[in-house]
Amino acid sequence: KAGVTQTPRYLIKTRGQQVTLSCSPISGHRSVSWYQQTPGQGLQFLFEYFSETQRNKGNFPGRFSGRQFSNSRSEMNVSTLELGDSALYLCASSRRPGQPDGYTFGSGTRLTVV
Amino acid sequence: LAKTTQPISMDSYEGQEVNITCSHNNIATNDYITWYQQFPSQGPRFIIQGYKTKVTNEVASLFIPADRKSSTLSLPRVSLSDTAVYYCLVGLLSNYQLIWGAGTKLIIKP
Repeated sequence: KAGVTQTPRYLIKTRGQQVTLSCSPISGHRSVSWYQQTPGQGLQFLFEYFSETQRNKGNFPGRFSGRQFSNSRSEMNVSTLELGDSALYLCASSRRPGQPDGYTFGSGTRLTVV
Repeated sequence: LAKTTQPISMDSYEGQEVNITCSHNNIATNDYITWYQQFPSQGPRFIIQGYKTKVTNEVASLFIPADRKSSTLSLPRVSLSDTAVYYCLVGLLSNYQLIWGAGTKLIIKP
Protein backbone atom coordinates (compact mmCIF):
# COMPACT_ATOMS: atom_id res chain seq x y z
CA LYS A 1 0.00 0.00 0.00
CA ALA A 2 1.11 3.58 -0.59
CA GLY A 3 2.96 5.24 2.26
CA VAL A 4 2.71 8.73 3.63
CA THR A 5 3.39 11.23 0.87
CA GLN A 6 4.81 14.65 1.60
CA THR A 7 5.18 17.37 -0.99
CA PRO A 8 7.33 19.07 -1.93
CA ARG A 9 10.48 17.21 -0.88
CA TYR A 10 12.65 20.31 -0.94
CA LEU A 11 11.83 23.98 -0.71
CA ILE A 12 13.84 27.19 -0.58
CA LYS A 13 12.12 30.33 0.64
CA THR A 14 13.14 33.83 1.59
CA ARG A 15 12.69 35.37 5.01
CA GLY A 16 9.28 36.93 5.39
CA GLN A 17 7.59 34.68 2.86
CA GLN A 18 5.04 32.04 3.73
CA VAL A 19 5.02 28.37 2.83
CA THR A 20 2.48 25.56 2.65
CA LEU A 21 3.45 21.92 3.00
CA SER A 22 1.23 19.00 2.13
CA CYS A 23 0.81 15.53 3.59
CA SER A 24 -1.28 12.67 2.22
CA PRO A 25 -1.75 9.93 4.83
CA ILE A 26 -1.98 6.20 4.33
CA SER A 27 -5.42 5.16 3.15
CA GLY A 28 -7.64 4.56 6.15
CA HIS A 29 -5.55 6.70 8.49
CA ARG A 30 -7.52 9.59 9.89
CA SER A 31 -4.91 11.13 12.17
CA VAL A 32 -2.07 13.30 10.89
CA SER A 33 0.73 14.74 13.00
CA TRP A 34 3.39 17.23 12.07
CA TYR A 35 6.91 17.47 13.45
CA GLN A 36 9.81 19.83 12.98
CA GLN A 37 13.26 18.27 13.05
CA THR A 38 16.48 20.25 13.37
CA PRO A 39 19.98 18.94 14.15
CA GLY A 40 20.09 20.57 17.52
CA GLN A 41 16.50 20.10 18.70
CA GLY A 42 15.51 16.64 17.56
CA LEU A 43 11.84 15.97 16.85
CA GLN A 44 9.54 18.76 17.96
CA PHE A 45 5.81 18.16 17.88
CA LEU A 46 3.82 20.81 16.02
CA PHE A 47 0.21 19.59 15.99
CA GLU A 48 -2.04 16.63 15.40
CA TYR A 49 -5.30 16.50 13.48
CA PHE A 50 -8.00 13.88 13.62
CA SER A 51 -11.22 14.04 11.63
CA GLU A 52 -10.48 17.62 10.56
CA THR A 53 -10.06 18.79 14.18
CA GLN A 54 -6.84 19.79 15.86
CA ARG A 55 -6.42 17.42 18.80
CA ASN A 56 -3.06 18.49 20.19
CA LYS A 57 -0.69 21.36 19.68
CA GLY A 58 2.98 21.82 20.52
CA ASN A 59 4.78 24.93 21.72
CA PHE A 60 5.20 26.77 18.46
CA PRO A 61 4.26 30.38 17.66
CA GLY A 62 1.05 31.22 15.89
CA ARG A 63 2.95 31.56 12.60
CA PHE A 64 2.68 27.79 12.39
CA SER A 65 -0.78 26.56 11.51
CA GLY A 66 -2.36 23.55 9.96
CA ARG A 67 -5.57 22.03 8.75
CA GLN A 68 -6.99 18.72 7.71
CA PHE A 69 -9.42 18.06 4.92
CA SER A 70 -12.33 15.63 4.77
CA ASN A 71 -10.17 13.12 2.87
CA SER A 72 -7.65 13.25 5.78
CA ARG A 73 -5.01 15.04 3.76
CA SER A 74 -3.33 17.74 5.78
CA GLU A 75 -1.49 20.95 5.14
CA MET A 76 0.68 23.04 7.38
CA ASN A 77 1.45 26.67 6.80
CA VAL A 78 4.25 28.81 8.11
CA SER A 79 3.88 32.55 7.69
CA THR A 80 6.54 35.25 7.93
CA LEU A 81 9.37 32.78 7.63
CA GLU A 82 12.46 33.18 9.78
CA LEU A 83 15.92 31.71 9.27
CA GLY A 84 15.34 29.48 12.28
CA ASP A 85 12.43 27.80 10.52
CA SER A 86 14.89 25.95 8.30
CA ALA A 87 14.30 22.30 9.14
CA LEU A 88 13.00 18.97 8.02
CA TYR A 89 9.23 18.89 8.46
CA LEU A 90 7.86 15.42 8.98
CA CYS A 91 4.32 14.24 8.75
CA ALA A 92 3.06 11.04 10.35
CA SER A 93 -0.28 9.32 9.95
CA SER A 94 -2.08 6.80 12.11
CA ARG A 95 -5.55 5.32 12.32
CA ARG A 96 -6.27 7.35 15.43
CA PRO A 97 -4.49 9.70 17.83
CA GLY A 98 -2.28 8.45 20.61
CA GLN A 99 -1.38 5.18 18.92
CA PRO A 100 2.38 5.10 19.58
CA ASP A 101 3.03 1.96 17.57
CA GLY A 102 0.86 2.97 14.69
CA TYR A 103 2.59 6.04 13.31
CA THR A 104 3.94 5.93 9.78
CA PHE A 105 6.15 8.82 8.80
CA GLY A 106 6.71 10.37 5.43
CA SER A 107 10.19 11.23 4.17
CA GLY A 108 9.69 14.87 5.03
CA THR A 109 9.95 18.26 3.38
CA ARG A 110 13.33 19.94 3.70
CA LEU A 111 12.69 23.67 4.08
CA THR A 112 15.55 26.12 3.74
CA VAL A 113 14.96 29.77 4.56
CA VAL A 114 17.50 32.20 3.17
CA LEU B 1 5.25 16.08 33.70
CA ALA B 2 6.49 13.10 31.69
CA LYS B 3 9.90 13.42 30.07
CA THR B 4 12.21 10.96 28.34
CA THR B 5 16.00 11.07 28.58
CA GLN B 6 18.40 8.97 26.52
CA PRO B 7 22.13 9.09 25.69
CA ILE B 8 23.07 11.38 22.85
CA SER B 9 25.29 8.88 21.11
CA MET B 10 26.74 5.38 21.32
CA ASP B 11 29.32 3.37 19.40
CA SER B 12 29.55 -0.35 18.94
CA TYR B 13 30.94 -3.00 16.58
CA GLU B 14 29.36 -5.39 14.15
CA GLY B 15 28.14 -8.59 15.77
CA GLN B 16 27.80 -7.05 19.24
CA GLU B 17 24.63 -6.64 21.25
CA VAL B 18 23.71 -3.01 21.81
CA ASN B 19 21.59 -1.78 24.69
CA ILE B 20 20.16 1.74 24.72
CA THR B 21 18.51 2.87 27.92
CA CYS B 22 15.86 5.55 28.22
CA SER B 23 14.71 7.19 31.45
CA HIS B 24 11.06 8.19 31.71
CA ASN B 25 10.01 9.35 35.14
CA ASN B 26 6.41 10.27 35.93
CA ILE B 27 4.73 8.06 33.39
CA ALA B 28 1.28 6.83 34.23
CA THR B 29 0.34 3.23 34.83
CA ASN B 30 -1.13 2.69 31.38
CA ASP B 31 1.30 4.72 29.28
CA TYR B 32 3.17 2.75 26.63
CA ILE B 33 6.90 2.93 25.89
CA THR B 34 7.81 2.89 22.24
CA TRP B 35 10.99 3.01 20.18
CA TYR B 36 11.51 4.30 16.67
CA GLN B 37 14.50 4.14 14.32
CA GLN B 38 15.48 6.88 11.88
CA PHE B 39 17.91 6.75 8.98
CA PRO B 40 19.23 9.93 7.33
CA SER B 41 16.77 11.66 5.01
CA GLN B 42 13.93 9.39 6.13
CA GLY B 43 11.16 9.65 8.67
CA PRO B 44 11.33 7.52 11.83
CA ARG B 45 9.90 4.03 11.68
CA PHE B 46 8.41 1.93 14.48
CA ILE B 47 10.64 -0.73 16.06
CA ILE B 48 8.99 -2.01 19.22
CA GLN B 49 6.54 -1.13 21.95
CA GLY B 50 6.02 -2.37 25.47
CA TYR B 51 4.09 -1.82 28.63
CA LYS B 52 5.97 -3.92 31.18
CA THR B 53 8.53 -6.75 31.55
CA LYS B 54 9.92 -7.87 28.20
CA VAL B 55 8.81 -7.71 24.61
CA THR B 56 10.65 -9.29 21.70
CA ASN B 57 10.14 -9.13 17.96
CA GLU B 58 12.21 -10.04 14.94
CA VAL B 59 14.22 -6.82 15.21
CA ALA B 60 14.76 -6.04 18.88
CA SER B 61 13.86 -6.65 22.49
CA LEU B 62 12.50 -4.17 24.99
CA PHE B 63 13.10 -4.58 28.70
CA ILE B 64 10.97 -2.61 31.17
CA PRO B 65 11.59 -3.02 34.91
CA ALA B 66 8.76 -3.18 37.39
CA ASP B 67 9.04 0.48 38.40
CA ARG B 68 8.77 1.51 34.72
CA LYS B 69 11.08 4.46 35.28
CA SER B 70 13.33 3.31 32.48
CA SER B 71 13.40 0.97 29.53
CA THR B 72 16.18 -0.65 27.52
CA LEU B 73 16.13 -1.31 23.81
CA SER B 74 18.33 -4.27 22.94
CA LEU B 75 19.59 -4.86 19.42
CA PRO B 76 21.14 -8.31 19.03
CA ARG B 77 24.18 -8.82 16.77
CA VAL B 78 24.15 -5.39 15.16
CA SER B 79 25.38 -4.75 11.63
CA LEU B 80 26.55 -1.62 9.85
CA SER B 81 22.99 -1.06 8.62
CA ASP B 82 21.83 -0.55 12.21
CA THR B 83 23.63 2.79 12.24
CA ALA B 84 20.78 5.22 12.85
CA VAL B 85 19.15 7.45 15.42
CA TYR B 86 16.94 5.66 17.93
CA TYR B 87 14.11 7.49 19.63
CA CYS B 88 12.40 6.54 22.85
CA LEU B 89 8.92 7.88 23.37
CA VAL B 90 6.09 7.57 25.80
CA GLY B 91 2.49 7.60 24.68
CA LEU B 92 0.26 9.34 27.21
CA LEU B 93 -3.14 7.73 27.26
CA SER B 94 -4.49 10.65 29.27
CA ASN B 95 -4.36 13.08 26.35
CA TYR B 96 -2.96 11.01 23.45
CA GLN B 97 0.27 13.01 23.40
CA LEU B 98 3.59 11.46 22.48
CA ILE B 99 6.64 12.50 24.51
CA TRP B 100 9.71 12.00 22.35
CA GLY B 101 13.26 11.68 23.60
CA ALA B 102 16.06 13.60 21.91
CA GLY B 103 17.31 10.48 20.16
CA THR B 104 20.44 8.34 20.47
CA LYS B 105 22.78 8.34 17.50
CA LEU B 106 24.11 4.78 17.23
CA ILE B 107 27.21 4.24 15.12
CA ILE B 108 28.21 0.69 14.27
CA LYS B 109 31.82 0.15 13.27
CA PRO B 110 33.21 -2.75 11.23
